Amino acid sequence: QKEVEQNSGPLSVPEGAIASLNCTYSDRGSQSFFWYRQYSGKSPELIMFIYSNGDKEDGRFTAQLNKASQYVSLLIRDSQPSDSATYLCAVQRPGSARQLTFGSGTQLTVLP
Amino acid sequence: SQTIHQWPATLVQPVGSPLSLECTVEGTSNPNLYWYRQAAGRGLQLLFYSVGIGQISSEVPQNLSASRPQDRQFILSSKKLLLSDSGFYLCAWRSTVEAFFGQGTRLTVV
Repeated sequence: QKEVEQNSGPLSVPEGAIASLNCTYSDRGSQSFFWYRQYSGKSPELIMFIYSNGDKEDGRFTAQLNKASQYVSLLIRDSQPSDSATYLCAVQRPGSARQLTFGSGTQLTVLP
Repeated sequence: SQTIHQWPATLVQPVGSPLSLECTVEGTSNPNLYWYRQAAGRGLQLLFYSVGIGQISSEVPQNLSASRPQDRQFILSSKKLLLSDSGFYLCAWRSTVEAFFGQGTRLTVV
């Protein structure tokens, strides 16, 4: 089992719709969870991080965490063509080095 | 504010040649530093991390090595490149909350 798994995609949604991106992780000791956006040929940029069970909202983005189910999701409301990118889920490993383990990413296309 | 510099942006190297990629961080001290590699269409694979000068931890056995000669400098090296070393190499550092990435080096081994 991979440490961090994401739905494989690609995912296409029409402009204005809600895009839902999912991620599961295997290490129950994981405490911190991150969503990155990566445009083609560019380095990842942080969208959101979440530590506590429940929802965390930032503008059009909502991260959801369920530690019992070992599940993290990212919702993008009112999707825009500029949201088209690969979305990477990352999980911080327990320990002082605070390494991040990344999923393989989900490619999202928002259709005008 | 903190800044991370990584160079070069692109590199084409023949098989068997050496490699040196450099990463420097500004605006912070004693950062945790990381080297990741991303193969085409794949996620990020952690190669090395460092929690201090001279302290290097390797994640996977491979043809590469890393060094941290100064607090805010992290170097990725190889003595002899393989075709399989091609990829997008990213340096990153951690704040207490976030991980910030450099602009990356796209390495093509031919």
